[in-house]
Amino acid sequence: QKEVEQDPGPLSVPEGAIVSLNCTYSNSAFQYFMWYRQYSRKGPELLMYTYSSGNKEDGRFTAQVDKSSKYISLFIRDSQPSDSATYLCAMSVGGSARQLTFGSGTQLTVLP
Amino acid sequence: DAGVIQSPRHEVTEMGQEVTLRCKPISGHDYLFWYRQTMMRGLELLIYFNNNVPIDDSGMPEDRFSAKMPNASFSTLKIQPSEPRDSAVYFCASSLKSRGGERETQYFGPGTRLLVL
Repeated sequence: QKEVEQDPGPLSVPEGAIVSLNCTYSNSAFQYFMWYRQYSRKGPELLMYTYSSGNKEDGRFTAQVDKSSKYISLFIRDSQPSDSATYLCAMSVGGSARQLTFGSGTQLTVLP
Repeated sequence: DAGVIQSPRHEVTEMGQEVTLRCKPISGHDYLFWYRQTMMRGLELLIYFNNNVPIDDSGMPEDRFSAKMPNASFSTLKIQPSEPRDSAVYFCASSLKSRGGERETQYFGPGTRLLVL
């Protein structure tokens, strides 16, 4: 069993929809949680970073962490075609976020 | 800044050949990471360096893989001999040690697509 599980999709939604992306993990030592966005044929780029359980909001994006359930989510409001990408969750034990464990990624397409 | 630079962007080679991937990190960054991405295994950390010194190479799959960082602005990942199962996208990333509670962020290069026939 992988330490981090993520539904690979693909996920296709109409423009303006609310998107929910999720990851589950098994290692209770994970403390830092990140979401990366990867456009086709590009490297991943950091989108959101959270430390504790709860919600963190940044514009149209909200990251949610539930450590008791070992479950994290990324919500995208008012989704746009430019949000079409693969979204990877990542986790680390230490705050330095150097040794990251990634989910397999969810491919999202937002249809205009 | 130009960001993390990787070369070549694409590499096609035959099984048994030596492959060398190159990376130039963002100037001033003191951490450098090599990752491999495949459909089956996702994105995996292979090795990372701090101030040109390898810190953790536990992700390097086999002795056929080796990585060096001769100076702060250059690193190589070498596969010798290459095998078809090494076909993947190889990413280099760099980061700056956090200071004053700032978050460390890894900045990824565009990747090298390797195909071993």
